[in-house]
Amino acid sequence: IAGITQAPTSQILAAGRRMTLRCTQDMRHNAMYWYRQDLGLGLRLIHYSNTAGTTGKGEVPDGYSVSRANTDDFPLTLASAVPSQTSVYFCASSEGVGGAGYNEQFFGPGTRLTVL
Amino acid sequence: AQKITQTQPGMFVQEKEAVTLDCTYDTSDPSYGLFWYKQPSSGEMIFLIYQGSYDQQNATEGRYSLNFQKARKSANLVISASQLGDSAMYFCAMRSNDYKLSFGAGTTVTVRA
Repeated sequence: IAGITQAPTSQILAAGRRMTLRCTQDMRHNAMYWYRQDLGLGLRLIHYSNTAGTTGKGEVPDGYSVSRANTDDFPLTLASAVPSQTSVYFCASSEGVGGAGYNEQFFGPGTRLTVL
Repeated sequence: AQKITQTQPGMFVQEKEAVTLDCTYDTSDPSYGLFWYKQPSSGEMIFLIYQGSYDQQNATEGRYSLNFQKARKSANLVISASQLGDSAMYFCAMRSNDYKLSFGAGTTVTVRA
């Protein structure tokens, strides 16, 4: 079982370009999340989805969009990348609403994105 | 809004000694969950331990224990008998009622031989 996969592992991108970060989970979790990690700021939530077909804005949504067409996939799109979006991006999932237990979030390995 | 504070940017600990990582939180929700994650230099996020706001006892998981003081809104992580492999960044996080996590800025732990 892979858990959560993210692609690409790393990417260097010219400012103004469009980029989609991919995330796929095989745990049939209802909820999925995108975070960015920046030094001294911890992880900040960009967007989330409590279930397929729904999405919501997190703490830092500007410049990013997401979609949740099915349970497994949750792509994050930068429509026109800017240097301030240079960061490490983590996708995560959890059982979400209605799940048993304490809803631990499982994280993917991350994508390191550099916008020049 | 939730807020997590980790005031120690970095700490050094001698191998085999215990270390306490501080975490304070702020929330108006009566029900919440507190998590600690470890991030080694390889970058992955590893779940360590969980404490629910209504749990009567402090959570323990092997060498990890959580010193939960609800009235003080603190959830400090204690790592006993430190090992070289414990060198990493540690994040405290709080789950709100809508299942989203808020993270602290993290504490870097370096274990010395």
